Amino acid sequence: KQEVTQIPAALSVPEGENLVLNCSFTDSAIYNLQWFRQDPGKGLTSLLLIQSSQREQTSGRLNASLDKSSGRSTLYIAASQPGDSATYLCAVHLNTGFQKLVFGTGTRLLVSP
Amino acid sequence: GAVVSQHPSRVICKSGTSVKIECRSLDFQATTMFWYRQFPKQSLMLMATSNEGSKATYEQGVEKDKFLINHASLTLSTLTVTSAHPEDSSFYICSALLPRGTGSNNEQFFGPGTRLTVL
Repeated sequence: KQEVTQIPAALSVPEGENLVLNCSFTDSAIYNLQWFRQDPGKGLTSLLLIQSSQREQTSGRLNASLDKSSGRSTLYIAASQPGDSATYLCAVHLNTGFQKLVFGTGTRLLVSP
Repeated sequence: GAVVSQHPSRVICKSGTSVKIECRSLDFQATTMFWYRQFPKQSLMLMATSNEGSKATYEQGVEKDKFLINHASLTLSTLTVTSAHPEDSSFYICSALLPRGTGSNNEQFFGPGTRLTVL
């Protein structure tokens, strides 16, 4: 059974810092890996999707990497801002017919001014 | 593009009543939709996979008679929580899968969620 873990569970940093969020998964047979952002009481916003054949994706200040063989992904946020405060979830797409997503435990990020 | 809506966004009901939540893909047709449940400060847990024109596939431990799913059209899936109890209070989120061949990389697009509170 695929299990996805995120470390740290919570992170508090001052504005301007670069930071790294970690995601690990137990079964390397995945289709894609996706990073989401969730604001309190809201739905999910997709940040980056990395296909299994790719090693990284970038969007603005965000960079996500994927190492399938070791079962790890990282989300790098450069020059953090208070508006980045949210919960960040990683999710792996299982290699099944309907592409189920298994979500990680999440990292709650607080960026203080 | 690829917008998914949910209705209602918030519902409060009395114990024993049934509540229906709608999930719509607004600008694409989705043969497959997913329903997730999220408890406070926890991650999303897949409840079931909804397939247009056929029965939903439920995850282990999810009661199909409790959580009725109907995917009657290519743009609408509904989740009905029957005889709701306080322990059913949660945040319910749906997603829709872009059809194959659209260059979507099998990406799911998520609705904004529905907060259910059962008194």
